[in-house]
Amino acid sequence: DADVTQTPRNRITKTGKRIMLECSQTKGHDRMYWYRQDPGLGLRLIYYSFDVKDINKGEISDGYSVSRQAQAKFSLSLESAIPNQTALYFCATSGPGAPNEQYFGPGTRLTVT
Amino acid sequence: GDSVTQMEGPVTLSEEAFLTINCTYTATGYPSLFWYVQYPGEGLQLLLKATKADDKGSNKGFEATYRKETTSFHLEKGSVQVSDSAVYFCALLTDSWGKLQFGAGTQVVVTP
Repeated sequence: DADVTQTPRNRITKTGKRIMLECSQTKGHDRMYWYRQDPGLGLRLIYYSFDVKDINKGEISDGYSVSRQAQAKFSLSLESAIPNQTALYFCATSGPGAPNEQYFGPGTRLTVT
Repeated sequence: GDSVTQMEGPVTLSEEAFLTINCTYTATGYPSLFWYVQYPGEGLQLLLKATKADDKGSNKGFEATYRKETTSFHLEKGSVQVSDSAVYFCALLTDSWGKLQFGAGTQVVVTP
């Protein structure tokens, strides 16, 4: 089984809808991250969490919120989806021994119409 | 602020050709540098890393040397295979808590 899983893998939603993307990990890592990937822009950090009680904004947090329900679960919400949030979303984790190596989930492709 | 610049793709090569993907960076302090690879339909995987100047990272036939004087970390492979077709991301880490700064990515297409 994959160490970092994301659900759903694909989602199409309409403008104004609230949507949640979920991430689970079995690596036992404390640190979790949400990124979005857009063509030509690489990956940009949305939010990151170093433990259940520590959540921080990344470079593009506007329009997003997160919840760290447990060490293994980190969810990303779009409160009111808009078309320019159409992107590929990745969750990642890293452990205390090697904070520089991040392990990525397979991604969620989100389309907002 | 910190930034990473990669050469634009796509880069199209024949099998067994030599691959170079240029990466330069701007950062305060002494960052660690990484190459990640994204195969079609998958998440990113760490390919190699270097944590200080003159370090050479290597993995799966790929190499990159951390050049502080030119602020570069170019990725090379001597003989590519079709299975190397992917998007390659250069990234830097200046934050001890593990927040990576990624380049835009370079798509590599290897044809038989």
